[in-house]
Amino acid sequence: SQKIEQNSEALNIQEGKTATLTCNYTNYSPAYLQWYRQDPGRGPVFLLLIRENEKEKRKERLKVTFDTTLKQSLFHITASQPADSATYLCALDMNAGNNRKLIWGLGTSLAVNP
Amino acid sequence: DSGVTQTPKHLITATGQRVTLRCSPRSGDLSVYWYQQSLDQGLQFLIQYYNGEERAKGNILERFSAQQFPDLHSELNLSSLELGDSALYFCASSTSLLAANYNEQFFGPGTRLTVL
Repeated sequence: SQKIEQNSEALNIQEGKTATLTCNYTNYSPAYLQWYRQDPGRGPVFLLLIRENEKEKRKERLKVTFDTTLKQSLFHITASQPADSATYLCALDMNAGNNRKLIWGLGTSLAVNP
Repeated sequence: DSGVTQTPKHLITATGQRVTLRCSPRSGDLSVYWYQQSLDQGLQFLIQYYNGEERAKGNILERFSAQQFPDLHSELNLSSLELGDSALYFCASSTSLLAANYNEQFFGPGTRLTVL
């Protein structure tokens, strides 16, 4: 079955630096890969989606890459701010016919220190 | 605010009891998803409904059931509750069923269930 691995250890970085989070998966490549942000006690919030035929996607200070050979996605936050501190979840979109499911990683906690 | 509402926000009950969690999707969204999130398991997909019909099932226990009503709100019923059912339960909605017309999922604030 499909498995997703995200850095289990919390990532601590200094304000202004670039944060890089990793999402690795096993087995077959998904049609889509998504990144969400989750703050404590709240629901995940969608950030970016990247398709299997895309190498890179950007949105403001966020950048996602997708390497189907390595079976890996990297999520970058440039010029990080304390407000970026949260847990970031990677999710793979498994499309089986008309049924869409998201398989989620456990998330990586990011702390940006002022 | 995602536009998805969930009630109640908190629920405390005893083992063996039954509870119902309610979700109202964003206006116009036909798909509703239910998730369970616990500290050690992460976010687990339970079940999806699209326009009143069950479309996909994940790791949903037989003690759990759900339905989506004609007005598109959804309810998740949890019965014979066990201590291990304590978790955050999220509802999410999206506009489309088909991956070809992909839209992201919008999550509600969640219901925190505590089983004592």
